[in-house]
Amino acid sequence: SQKIEQNSEALNIQEGKTATLTCNYTNYSPAYLQWYRQDPGRGPVFLLLIRENEKEKRKERLKVTFDTTLKQSLFHITASQPADSATYLCAPAGRGSTLGRLYFGRGTQLTVWP
Amino acid sequence: GAGVSQTPSNKVTEKGKYVELRCDPISGHTALYWYRQSLGQGPEFLIYFQGTGAADDSGLPNDRFFAVRPEGSVSTLKIQRTERGDSAVYLCASSSRQGGDYGYTFGSGTRLTVV
Repeated sequence: SQKIEQNSEALNIQEGKTATLTCNYTNYSPAYLQWYRQDPGRGPVFLLLIRENEKEKRKERLKVTFDTTLKQSLFHITASQPADSATYLCAPAGRGSTLGRLYFGRGTQLTVWP
Repeated sequence: GAGVSQTPSNKVTEKGKYVELRCDPISGHTALYWYRQSLGQGPEFLIYFQGTGAADDSGLPNDRFFAVRPEGSVSTLKIQRTERGDSAVYLCASSSRQGGDYGYTFGSGTRLTVV
């Protein structure tokens, strides 16, 4: 069955630094992969989607890479701010008949301290 | 509406009772998803609707769980004979189309507690 691993449960960094979160998946090949942010008591909020034929995608201070050979995605937040503190979820999608399904990791809780 | 609306926000029920959870997706979104999230875990897929039909219901854990979307908009997740293990946050999401660069818009969820 599909397995999604995010590098660590918690990541603490200083304001202004770059946060790098890792997502590894096994046992399947997703057609695309999404990243979400989740704050306590709220539903996940969509950040970025990257497709299997894309290597990198950027949006403002966010950058996502997707290496289908390594079965890994990296999520970067540059010039991090305390407001970036949240749990970040990696969600590779299925394909074919399961294309509409996302398989979520447990998330990495990011804390940015001033 | 402006976002995905889920009601109730909290539901406490006794073991063995029947519950219904409602989801109002963003107007015009054809795809609707149900997930559930236990404490400290990522959301777990339950079912996906494209229009009125269930395109993928293989995530429903057993036959006590059932979901409908009769008119292609509002969806109801129904749980019969609830068990304490059903306690979780049930999340609904919608998207304008599958596979687009839009991602899914999630509601804030219904926190179900079975006592």
